Amino acid sequence: DVKVTQSSRYLVKRTGEKVFLECVQDMDHENMFWYRQDPGLGLRLIYFSYDVKMKEKGDIPEGYSVSREKKERFSLILESASTNQTSMYLCASRSRTGPNSPLHFGNGTRLTVT
Amino acid sequence: RKEVEQDPGPFNVPEGATVAFNCTYSNSASQSFFWYRQDCRKEPKLLMSVYSSGNEDGRFTAQLNRASQYISLLIRDSKLSDSATYLCVVPRSYNTDKLIFGTGTRLQVFP
Repeated sequence: DVKVTQSSRYLVKRTGEKVFLECVQDMDHENMFWYRQDPGLGLRLIYFSYDVKMKEKGDIPEGYSVSREKKERFSLILESASTNQTSMYLCASRSRTGPNSPLHFGNGTRLTVT
Repeated sequence: RKEVEQDPGPFNVPEGATVAFNCTYSNSASQSFFWYRQDCRKEPKLLMSVYSSGNEDGRFTAQLNRASQYISLLIRDSKLSDSATYLCVVPRSYNTDKLIFGTGTRLQVFP
């Protein structure tokens, strides 16, 4: 079974802090994703990486950056946390074997910015 | 048309009922689709893939209608444990590596 592990289940940070969310997958997947999920808005793609050191903006990249130095690890960085970044953050990985390969999610990080 | 659109529900059905959800999509070139299930405060988990006319897994049947650009999920003999939000997922039109989620349809099965 694919395992995607997010480093924290719950985080509380102050406005202006730099925040790191870490995600590790153990299946050698090429593609990794960061989503945020908010009530009524569903899952929205923040950033996507298709290889080491390669990244692509998603639909809502403002206020975020990412890092992928190793294939198994994809980090989401909030440069200066703001209250509107309070959300559930979900990391996912996906094999590039074909269009039928599904996303596998970590169990999420619920971030509160005060 | 939105890239992916779902009726948010909630669908409230008794145990044993049959219930169906639809999901419409805008990209006519999409080949593969997915249904995910998400329990309250948990991550989404893959329920079914749909990449031909349809797919069946026990009480669950997913069907694809390319002409009308929708996929459906049918649940037969509903169980209390089926209560969850069901997310429709389609590839983005110009990049099949990116998957786009619908906002989900909430199902509540009552005794």
